[in-house]
Amino acid sequence: QSALAQPASVSESPGQSITISCTGSSSDVGGYDYVSWYQQHPGKAPKLMIYDVSNRPSGVGNRFSGSKSGNTASLTISGLQPEDEAAYYCSSHTTSSTVVFGGGTKLTVL
Amino acid sequence: QVQLQESGPGLVKPSQTLSLTCTVSGGFISSGTYYWSWIRQHPERGLEWIGYIYYSGSTYYNPSLKSRVTISVDTSKNQFSLKLNSVTAADTAVYYCARASRGLAFDYWGQGTLVTVSS
Repeated sequence: QSALAQPASVSESPGQSITISCTGSSSDVGGYDYVSWYQQHPGKAPKLMIYDVSNRPSGVGNRFSGSKSGNTASLTISGLQPEDEAAYYCSSHTTSSTVVFGGGTKLTVL
Repeated sequence: QVQLQESGPGLVKPSQTLSLTCTVSGGFISSGTYYWSWIRQHPERGLEWIGYIYYSGSTYYNPSLKSRVTISVDTSKNQFSLKLNSVTAADTAVYYCARASRGLAFDYWGQGTLVTVSS
């Protein structure tokens, strides 16, 4: 199974919005509404930010939102704050009942 | 609050078997419809899903690792384990255990443990 495609890095200024894409295929992202997004700060375990494409776990602020169109899922972070600077990973359920991750996107808040 | 903790050797010799255990507290492995998983992260790299075991004992593995991986569960100890055989330097990584719920979203993670493969 091939990793989901994410941009390697993105950057934006505090207070602005950013969208990170995650592209797969009809066998994963496009076939199920089971896309998740994770935030990972250096030296820390990943943290679930979005599940089932657009749902936020308890404790995750509404500045984080998710969506999907076809084989591409997106994570949008609005009102960027310095603490949002981290790596972001998407993942998806697949037709084989396995999991595939994206390659990760390093977000820099300038 | 569910907590997961990895344990096992931090150094494994090439060609040997990497063995890790994840101890779950704050909940019972056998109590719900969860998928108990192993995920690894190579140094300065992205996340790689290794596999998961359902509370019933069914397992699913990453096709690229399937021939070398075994995940098992010990409900009496509330633990699940990872064995990866015939390791090479390419298996050097931080290994995480995690719990996934419906949709395979990983909602609880261990802190991770670095395993180095070296002679």
